[in-house]
Amino acid sequence: DVKVTQSSRYLVKRTGEKVFLECVQDMDHENMFWYRQDPGLGLRLIYFSYDVKMKEKGDIPEGYSVSREKKERFSLILESASTNQTSMYLCASSSSLGTSGGLSLAKNIQYFGAGTRLSVL
Amino acid sequence: AQTVTQSQPEMSVQEAETVTLSCTYDTSESDYYLFWYKQPPSRQMILVIRQEAYKQQNATENRFSVNFQKAAKSFSLKISDSQLGDAAMYFCAYRSEGYGGATNKLIFGTGTLLAVQP
Repeated sequence: DVKVTQSSRYLVKRTGEKVFLECVQDMDHENMFWYRQDPGLGLRLIYFSYDVKMKEKGDIPEGYSVSREKKERFSLILESASTNQTSMYLCASSSSLGTSGGLSLAKNIQYFGAGTRLSVL
Repeated sequence: AQTVTQSQPEMSVQEAETVTLSCTYDTSESDYYLFWYKQPPSRQMILVIRQEAYKQQNATENRFSVNFQKAAKSFSLKISDSQLGDAAMYFCAYRSEGYGGATNKLIFGTGTLLAVQP
């Protein structure tokens, strides 16, 4: 089974703190994604990465940065947390190649972590 | 830019009955993928079903099936014999065809919250 693990289910931080959200996948996927989920807005893409050290802005990158030093790990960083960043954060990964780790996977399917609910006070 | 619209914020169905969730999208592309994802209260997003735009046949997965109308840009999800475990938020999503880079992005609708009444 594909596993995408987010380090925290719940997180409470103070305004101005630097916040790290970690995501690890175990299927050697090339692509990793960070989404933000808010009621009535669905999922919005913050950043994504299609290779180690590669990153691209999504639809709402302001106030966020990312790091991908290893293929399996994709970190979302809030440099100075603000109250309007209180939200649910979802990490996902996918393969572009159709196979991964010896298993045949349908490419293009994104596999999600359980989410981190972040509250910034 | 592509957009995905789910016009039903909430739906309700009786156990064992059938329900259809609506999704429309806008694109100028001819090749793409469409997905329905389910997010139960546990929050783990799970793929329900997927459709390739070049396939005319509607995808089915057990009790879940889609009605894909490419010309109308419509992609509805039908759940037959609804079960209590089907209660969840359902998201429709679009992905462009292609390899690498921005084509790997999913564009999501705003979701439909499905309640299943016993």
